[in-house]
Amino acid sequence: AQSVSQHNHHVILSEAASLELGCNYSYGGTVNLFWYVQYPGQHLQLLLKYFSGDPLVKGIKGFEAEFIKSKFSFNLRKPSVQWSDTAEYFCAVNAQRNNYQLIWGAGTKLIIKP
Amino acid sequence: ETGVTQSPTHLIKTRGQQVTLRCSSQSGHNTVSWYQQALGQGPQFIFQYYREEENGRGNFPPRFSGLQFPNYSSELNVNALELDDSALYLCASRTAGGSYEQYFGPGTRLTVT
Repeated sequence: AQSVSQHNHHVILSEAASLELGCNYSYGGTVNLFWYVQYPGQHLQLLLKYFSGDPLVKGIKGFEAEFIKSKFSFNLRKPSVQWSDTAEYFCAVNAQRNNYQLIWGAGTKLIIKP
Repeated sequence: ETGVTQSPTHLIKTRGQQVTLRCSSQSGHNTVSWYQQALGQGPQFIFQYYREEENGRGNFPPRFSGLQFPNYSSELNVNALELDDSALYLCASRTAGGSYEQYFGPGTRLTVT
């Protein structure tokens, strides 16, 4: 069965620290990959996506992610986090053969200490 | 451009009751998906509708049913509510082709007591 695993459920960092959130998926064939963010009290927003081409994708608010096909990974990174990055981050994958339904990781709660 | 809207925002129901949740798609989107997000978990896919037909379903029992209307708005119906149905229900819309990016509504928080 297809699945997405996020390595850390909770991450606490200080402002200006670098961030890397892990995401691995179990899914054969061609996939699309996404990172969504859910700020406190707000709805899910797309941070970035990968469909094809350059495996290093840049998203909003200084986030980027790298698709490593051989490792089935799509890790999210940010060089220097801000207090406003406190949120829950979800990795998700979809594919044509499943009519593009999104399969989600369990999420990582990120807390940035000011 | 109007985003995805959902109603109601919050709902409290009793075990055994039935509930209907509503979603209006983003303008120009003809595909709607519904997800259940239990507390502390990632969303789980319930089903998807394209042009008023269900074209994908997750691992949810038949008491979860849906409709999509000609204007692409959608309903999620849950019969015989159980305590475990308490969750945030998310609606997402997209176009059938193109980037396959889904746009999410704010969700409906359902509490079953």
